[in-house]
Amino acid sequence: AQRVTQPEKLLSVFKGAPVELKCNYSYSGSPELFWYVQYSRQRLQLLLRHISRESIKGFTADLNKGETSFHLKKPFAQEEDSAMYYCALSDKAAGNKLTFGGGTRVLVKP
Amino acid sequence: AAGVIQSPRHLIKEKRETATLKCYPIPRHDTVYWYQQGPGQDPQFLISFYEKMQSDKGSIPDRFSAQQFSDYHSELNMSSLELGDSALYFCASSLGVRRGVGNQPQHFGDGTRLSIL
Repeated sequence: AQRVTQPEKLLSVFKGAPVELKCNYSYSGSPELFWYVQYSRQRLQLLLRHISRESIKGFTADLNKGETSFHLKKPFAQEEDSAMYYCALSDKAAGNKLTFGGGTRVLVKP
Repeated sequence: AAGVIQSPRHLIKEKRETATLKCYPIPRHDTVYWYQQGPGQDPQFLISFYEKMQSDKGSIPDRFSAQQFSDYHSELNMSSLELGDSALYFCASSLGVRRGVGNQPQHFGDGTRLSIL
């Protein structure tokens, strides 16, 4: 069975500092990984998907199959980055359902 | 751009009552997913539909049922409600996996906050 782990429940950084959100997964097949962000009282929004290899809002994430990780990084955090971040894995074998990690709350202090 | 629409946004029910949550996917999306997010928890997959057929089932209680209609909107029916059913229920939509372009990203609605008294 697939599993997604986000070891940090809360990350608190100062504005302008780098931030890295860890995500590890276990999956027997070829996974597709996503990062979703949930700002206060808003819907889950897709931030990144690993196959896109793009940078959104300054965030990047690289899939490391050897370490089974998909860490999210941003070199200079902004206050508007304060939100809940979920790493998710898509299960191709079962109709694309998402398995979410426990989430990491990011707080960017001024 | 049009997004996933869920109704109602908030719903208050008492124990043992029934509730119906509705989800209208993004136009041309043929796949709908339901997730339940309890207080302080990550979203948990409940059930999904592709082209009006159930495509996968997760941790959905037997008291719940769902269906997808010909216009691709979906309804989640919940009966014999319990206190533990209080949660935020998200619907998401995507293009179907079987279109041969790999897994499509899911787009989420604002959710329905269900409170059981």
